[in-house]
Amino acid sequence: AQKVTQAQTEISVVEKEDVTLDCVYETRDTTYYLFWYKQPPSGELVFLIRRNSFDEQNEISGRYSWNFQKSTSSFNFTITASQVVDSAVYFCALSEAGGGSNYKLTFGKGTLLTVNP
Amino acid sequence: DVKVTQSSRYLVKRTGEKVFLECVQDMDHENMFWYRQDPGLGLRLIYFSYDVKMKEKGDIPEGYSVSREKKERFSLILESASTNQTSMYLCASSQQKPYEQYFGPGTRLTVT
Repeated sequence: AQKVTQAQTEISVVEKEDVTLDCVYETRDTTYYLFWYKQPPSGELVFLIRRNSFDEQNEISGRYSWNFQKSTSSFNFTITASQVVDSAVYFCALSEAGGGSNYKLTFGKGTLLTVNP
Repeated sequence: DVKVTQSSRYLVKRTGEKVFLECVQDMDHENMFWYRQDPGLGLRLIYFSYDVKMKEKGDIPEGYSVSREKKERFSLILESASTNQTSMYLCASSQQKPYEQYFGPGTRLTVT
């Protein structure tokens, strides 16, 4: 069975600090997909990134970067120079590509990030 | 732009009432999903559908049913609402492959 663990329940930083959100996953599949979502106080989950298991290249998008390491089953998310607008709950998720109709996402419990001015 | 809409942002119902939560997507996605989100429990999948009239149980289907008569619309039904179904309900849709899911704004349901 697949599992996603986000050990950090809450993180609080001061604006302009860098912050890393951890995500560790478990799966028996060799082909799978990893995702990060942001849920701001308004409540709507916003898709941030998708990564497949064959692509371990790190990705950078503006102040956001993602570090995917299969050796440690981790897919960590770093926000550089954090801003108050980054305050949200961040979810990591996993989907196995086993075929058929079973393209469900398994979510971690989420990390509440608070960026203080 | 991708868009998933849900019929209500806030809903208050009485115990025993039949409740319908509607979700519509305009992206021609094959897959649609219903989750509930509770503090400390994260997102839990209730039901999903990978095609019109097709449905599969998620992790917590008890007390719920679903209907998908058209590709763009996926309804969640609480046959007889109970107080333990007070929660935030999130609808999502995705393309057929394990692509990212796009979420609606959520419905906060309170059952009294």
